[in-house]
Order: sequence, then structure tokens, then C-alpha cells
Amino acid sequence: DTGVSQDPRHKITKRGQNVTFRCDPISEHNRLYWYRQTLGQGPEFLTYFQNEAQLEKSRLLSDRFSAERPKGSFSTLEIQRTEQGDSAMYLCASSSGTLLGYTFGSGTRLTVV
Amino acid sequence: TQLLEQSPQFLSIQEGENLTVYCNSSSVFSSLQWYRQEPGEGPVLLVTVVTGGEVKKLKRLTFQFGDARKDSSLHITAAQPGDTGLYLCAGAGGAGSYQLTFGKGTKLSVIP
Repeated sequence: DTGVSQDPRHKITKRGQNVTFRCDPISEHNRLYWYRQTLGQGPEFLTYFQNEAQLEKSRLLSDRFSAERPKGSFSTLEIQRTEQGDSAMYLCASSSGTLLGYTFGSGTRLTVV
Repeated sequence: TQLLEQSPQFLSIQEGENLTVYCNSSSVFSSLQWYRQEPGEGPVLLVTVVTGGEVKKLKRLTFQFGDARKDSSLHITAAQPGDTGLYLCAGAGGAGSYQLTFGKGTKLSVIP
């Protein structure tokens, strides 16, 4: 078990560009979550997958954001037409049940310049 | 909207001192989790408490879930520099919702 892997660890992009992040969860976990964390704040929920189905989306997930988990394994989060306000740490987590707690990845730090 | 208030926001103490961090809400949660996060890394789960009034101990850390399942506390005995980090509480609950609601965290510094 190698834990939750996120790639890349850091991404610097120019405003208006598209970016895509990847998350590889723990293989036996069927639940996958994306969160966003800005400086001085706790993580904020973005979206949740159970297997390949996206079951819950936050209002924070504007139409510029899209997430997929095509085969119920890895997931991608894409941000189109990035804005400076998108600068944050994007965290992926997986679990086999809410009461069991999450295993988080190390995150992708996005900086939009 | 479920909100979790953590206090204090910042805490700086000397090695060997005891401390308590609080996590409060007006909402009822089905479970509450505590995480520790280091700079540039994701949060790491410390404990999950489920039953109102539940107390769990993890070495020098004691976690308590309030009887009404609206609040929780984390007590650290004889703090060590290795305890330094951001402590986050997170509540799970709400019918049909799978998300965790996180507090803003308590940033703890333990000075040798």
C-alpha cells in the first residue's frame, strides 16, 4: 500500500491556461474526494466519487472545474481558464467509508500568475 | 451550512506543557475526526470518534466527543517539539452528504 499519490506536486501556470491534476487512491478504497485548501483555512470540499460515479459536487466547483474517475480507479481534476483565485493546494483523499476517516495525498500546490 | 469553530487559532507553548484544543459547532455530526497537517503535506488522520461522550487515547493525546455530538476536544499531555503542526477537526454528517466539514485549524508550536 503506497498511500494516495498526487501528481504533480507543484504547478505554476499563467492565468487563462488549463491545468489537470491526477490522483491515484489506495487501490481497495472505492471512495475518492477532492478538496481545496487556501492559506490559513481548512480544506474545503469540492467533489466526491463512489467508484466511477460522481455523487456529490460543491457549489465551489464552478463550470470551469471538472473531475472524472473513468474506471473507478484514478481521478483527474481539470481547471479551465485558470484565475488567480484558483491558487491553492488541491488535496485528494480516499476512504472505504466516511466513519473510517480519509487518507489524504500530499496535494498539488497550484500557483496562477 | 455546517460550520466548525476551532480554538485557539494559534498556540505556542514550551516543551512539557499540557494543552487543549477545542472544536465547536451548532450542528450535530455523525462522527468527528482529528487530523494533523505539516506544511506542504496533506492532513494525516489521528482519530475518529463516533459515539457521544466517547473518549479515545492515543499515547499522549486524548480526544473527546461531546455528549450531543456537536463538539470535541483534543488534549495533549507533556507536549513535545514533534507535536508541532496544524491540528484540524472535521465533522461528517448530514443525510445524503458524504463530505467532511473542516475547521480552520489550530496551529501549534512547541518550543524546545
